[in-house]
Formats: sequence, C-alpha cells, structure tokens
Amino acid sequence: NAGVTQTPKFRILKIGQSMTLQCTQDMNHNYMYWYRQDPGMGLKLIYYSVGAGITDKGEVPNGYNVSRSTTEDFPLRLELAAPSQTSVYFCASIGDRGPDQPQHFGDGTRLSIL
Amino acid sequence: AQKVTQAQTEISVVEKEDVTLDCVYETRDTTYYLFWYKQPPSGELVFLIRRNSFDEQNEISGRYSWNFQKSTSSFNFTITASQVVDSAVYFCALSPRIGAAGNKLTFGGGTRVLVKP
Repeated sequence: NAGVTQTPKFRILKIGQSMTLQCTQDMNHNYMYWYRQDPGMGLKLIYYSVGAGITDKGEVPNGYNVSRSTTEDFPLRLELAAPSQTSVYFCASIGDRGPDQPQHFGDGTRLSIL
Repeated sequence: AQKVTQAQTEISVVEKEDVTLDCVYETRDTTYYLFWYKQPPSGELVFLIRRNSFDEQNEISGRYSWNFQKSTSSFNFTITASQVVDSAVYFCALSPRIGAAGNKLTFGGGTRVLVKP
C-alpha cells in the first residue's frame, strides 16, 4: 500500500522554467490537496480537489495550476518559475469521512528556483 | 475563516524536561476537528492525534498528552520526560466538520522543539 506518492523528491529550476509536480494516491480518496511549506513556516494550501474534474483555489494559488482528470492523480503545474516559489511542496489526500480520519501526506518535493 | 496560532516558534529543553506546546484556534463552526502533526528533521509529516470539538477529554499516549479546552479555544500538547528523538517541528491544525469547505486543514506556523542531551 503506497499511500500518497510524490515525484520528484528534489528539483532545481531556473527562473522562467516550467514543471509539473506529480502526486498520485492508491487509496481511492476523493479529496486531494497541495500545500507549500516555506522555510521555518507552516503549510499553506495552494489548491485542492473534492473529486475528479473538480478543483478549487486555496490560500496561495497564484503562479500555479492543477488538474484532476482521475481520482488517483493530482498534478501541480508551475508555468513560469519564480524565486518566491522556492519551497517544499506536500500533496495530501483524505477519504470521504473527511477530518474524522487523518490526512495522508506524501513525503514532499523540495523545489529550488535559481 | 479559520485560524491557528502557535505563539512559540522555538523551544529548547534539556533531555528529561517536560515541554508544553501551545495552540490557539479561531473558528465560527460549532463542529470542527483539531490535529497535531510532527515533522522530524527528515521532513515528512507524522500524524499524532485528532480530536473533535465534542470530545473535551484530555488524552495521554505514552509520554504525549493533550489538553483540549473549548472555553479558551486551545489544544495544547505536552511531551513528558523529553528525549532527543522528540526534536522536531510540531504543527497544530484545524479542520471544519466533515464535508464542509472541502475538508481543508488550516495549519499553525509550527513550534520547533530542540531537545539537548
């Protein structure tokens, strides 16, 4: 049982480059989330999805895009990387019992933009 | 809007001392959930405890204990007889009731605990 899998684990980008952070879960969870964690800070919600085909903005969505074509996958796209997007990105999922169960987190993607 | 405040940014203790981490939250919901997560130096997030707003009983799990006080909107976490392995960042988080607002978690800023041998 893999849980939530994020790839890549580390990446260095140049300013202006684009990339997609991958997130997949094998628990058939409807709810999925992308957070970013800046150094020394808490997690902030970027985007979330309540099911395939449905996404919505979180607290800090600017500079990012998401899609949810399947229940399993929830990729996060950076179109024009900026130094302010240097962060650790966490993907998470939760089943339909919502907060009556803990969110499952991936191990994170550490992204540096130079 | 929901908000979680962890006023202590860093706490340093000597091994075997007790340490209490404060968490204060704001929400308009009458039903909500509170969580504590641990983030060790390796970076992953480890779930520690979940508490719903109807259950104000304190909980103890080994050296960990939690004090939930709805009257003061606080959900504090105590590590008794701390060990070096407790060194980590600890996050308090808040979620609305099941099915509300996408079941989103709001995190506090975290408290870094450093346990010195």
